[in-house]
Amino acid sequence: EVVLTQSPATLSLSPGEVATLSCRASQSVVTYLAWYQQKPGQPPRLLISDASNRATGIPASFSGSGSGTDFTLTISSLEPEDFAVYYCQQRRYWPYTFGQGTKLEIK
Amino acid sequence: EVQLVESGGGLVQPGGSLRLSCSASGFSFSSYSMHWVRQAPGKGPECVSAIGTNGVTTYYGDSVKGRFITSRDNSQKMLYLQMNSLRPEDTAVYYCVNADAYQYWGQGTLVTVSS
Repeated sequence: EVVLTQSPATLSLSPGEVATLSCRASQSVVTYLAWYQQKPGQPPRLLISDASNRATGIPASFSGSGSGTDFTLTISSLEPEDFAVYYCQQRRYWPYTFGQGTKLEIK
Repeated sequence: EVQLVESGGGLVQPGGSLRLSCSASGFSFSSYSMHWVRQAPGKGPECVSAIGTNGVTTYYGDSVKGRFITSRDNSQKMLYLQMNSLRPEDTAVYYCVNADAYQYWGQGTLVTVSS
């Protein structure tokens, strides 16, 4: 199965700063890569599909890029509500797999 | 409004069985593949099973293959997960997910496997 490695495991930033999260796949997933945000006690919330397409209702401060094996989620100006855990997911091969997550915490 | 509501979770002993249900509303249920995704405490999500629109095509993750069976009733807009030979490592919150871009998730039902 495809292994997704996210880095860093924890990212400590202040509101207003730019967050850059990485996801690397063990083999090419083309652009079949999604990003999710998860807060405690809630299901994951879809942010980005197909590497760079924002889901419905997701603000423009969230952007995704990459293809093949290397992907990036960028949050251009952190709001207090953006501090959460972020997961990437590949949908190129079954079983669809998720990364282990990046925790974005307030510095 | 799309709604997915899971039920059937609880505490079960190792080796036991449990059947999860997911009630769907607000979309054309029969037109979409559906997935079960679980998340163990403090871990990332894991895709457990997938089922096609007609209920014939199914896929399973290696960790549950041969133990779990997914099914659906399109007339009732229901998705099911029959879990047999449960192990402590199956302890997780189980979500049903609309497989069309994973936009819609239920709130999950907690399964705890422990003696």
